[in-house]
Amino acid sequence: GAGVSQSPSNKVTEKGKDVELRCDPISGHTALYWYRQRLGQGLEFLIYFQGNSAPDKSGLPSDRFSAERTGESVSTLTIQRTQQEDSAVYLCASSLAVTRSGNTIYFGEGSWLTVV
Amino acid sequence: GENVEQHPSTLSVQEGDSAVIKCTYSDSASNYFPWYKQELGKRPQLIIDIRSNVGEKKDQRIAVTLNKTAKHFSLHITETQPEDSAVYFCAPNNNAGNMLTFGGGTRLMVKP
Repeated sequence: GAGVSQSPSNKVTEKGKDVELRCDPISGHTALYWYRQRLGQGLEFLIYFQGNSAPDKSGLPSDRFSAERTGESVSTLTIQRTQQEDSAVYLCASSLAVTRSGNTIYFGEGSWLTVV
Repeated sequence: GENVEQHPSTLSVQEGDSAVIKCTYSDSASNYFPWYKQELGKRPQLIIDIRSNVGEKKDQRIAVTLNKTAKHFSLHITETQPEDSAVYFCAPNNNAGNMLTFGGGTRLMVKP
């Protein structure tokens, strides 16, 4: 597709269950980001993948959160043993490799997670 | 990492007035300065950006000005309209392949 695609768009899960969120970046984009946005709040960095480099995991809030990316394609964000405070929109974004022209990133529509 | 702050956090203006949002950053190596707009329930989208070799850039009613010495850049919206109501985020970066840090966001409300 033309843009960043995320699924599911909405997910309601019971506390304690695991969830998996998927992101399909724009073709050719080597950089991929996951952000969390709680209702009415800012963009909280979670994890960043750049090509074949080791991911920057410094934003993951706990060991219940993990993410993988296969090459320069799809990424999955996994939240284990979900808690109510995990309820948020999870935004994925991608960008081209670092260039002189600037690191514009393009966001997906987000996955709205509600933990009940 | 980059420390990014936006001011104000909320801004309410009357339709037709101007709005200015300021973004300060800490990394002197930053050389790319974008602004993103996020409407309610939507994804953030790039609205304007500027590079470090330029002091000002304008696109119709929006403009961005850069002061590299003082390490801040600002978003200017003139003749504001209700559809400008949104949250605006800055994300200065240095194209070094590092993750992007966004400012905390500024909620702009334009009253008709």
